[in-house]
Amino acid sequence: QLQLQESGPGLVKSSETLSVTCSVSGASVINNDYNWGWIRQPPGKGLEWIGSISYRGATYYSPSLQSRVTLSVDTSKNQFSLKLNSVIAADTAVYYCARQRVAGRSYYFDHWGQGTLVTVSS
Amino acid sequence: DIQMTQSPSTLSASIGDRVTITCRASQTISYWLAWYQQKPGRAPKLLIYQASSLETGVPSRFSGSGSGTEFTLTISSLQPDDFATYYCQHYNIYPLAFGGGTKVDVK
Repeated sequence: QLQLQESGPGLVKSSETLSVTCSVSGASVINNDYNWGWIRQPPGKGLEWIGSISYRGATYYSPSLQSRVTLSVDTSKNQFSLKLNSVIAADTAVYYCARQRVAGRSYYFDHWGQGTLVTVSS
Repeated sequence: DIQMTQSPSTLSASIGDRVTITCRASQTISYWLAWYQQKPGRAPKLLIYQASSLETGVPSRFSGSGSGTEFTLTISSLQPDDFATYYCQHYNIYPLAFGGGTKVDVK
């Protein structure tokens, strides 16, 4: 069955770049019915959408993060990735990757990874 | 950008109670709304999409309703497994947004 698995550094220093990769198994990222998304959750807080990407590389970003975020997809590895630069303490969060249905005017997330905690240290 | 507001932020209930959570959008989103359940330390799980369509495998005690700017998630008879935090998410247009969450705890 479909599985998404995030891999990240765990700890990133302030002002540096956070990089997290999502490995997809049980399905191909090459699918016109799905995009691939990133959502984060600071400790004890709610969910925040970061952005989404199609397998062709079309990207959609949160306006509040757009200037610092880059999403990419590697179809040969069946992975997609998030880079967030110039991180600050407020970027400390659990970062989730998720599959996003886009068929039939849908943009919700039907499968999620387990999440990876990234802590920004000073 | 569309903002999503959930109420209440916390709800205390007992097993067997009927539970209703409200989600309001800052502008009309038709019925482009999803609901998720999240338990501590776990990823969110999709419950409902398109405001009222039940995701495969989700118990029928969960239901969603609404359109435009006001939506509700109802649990008809609260079960022990339902104590969790619930989030709404609009997908009318990018950027997407989640509500702040409603925690359902034991009364």
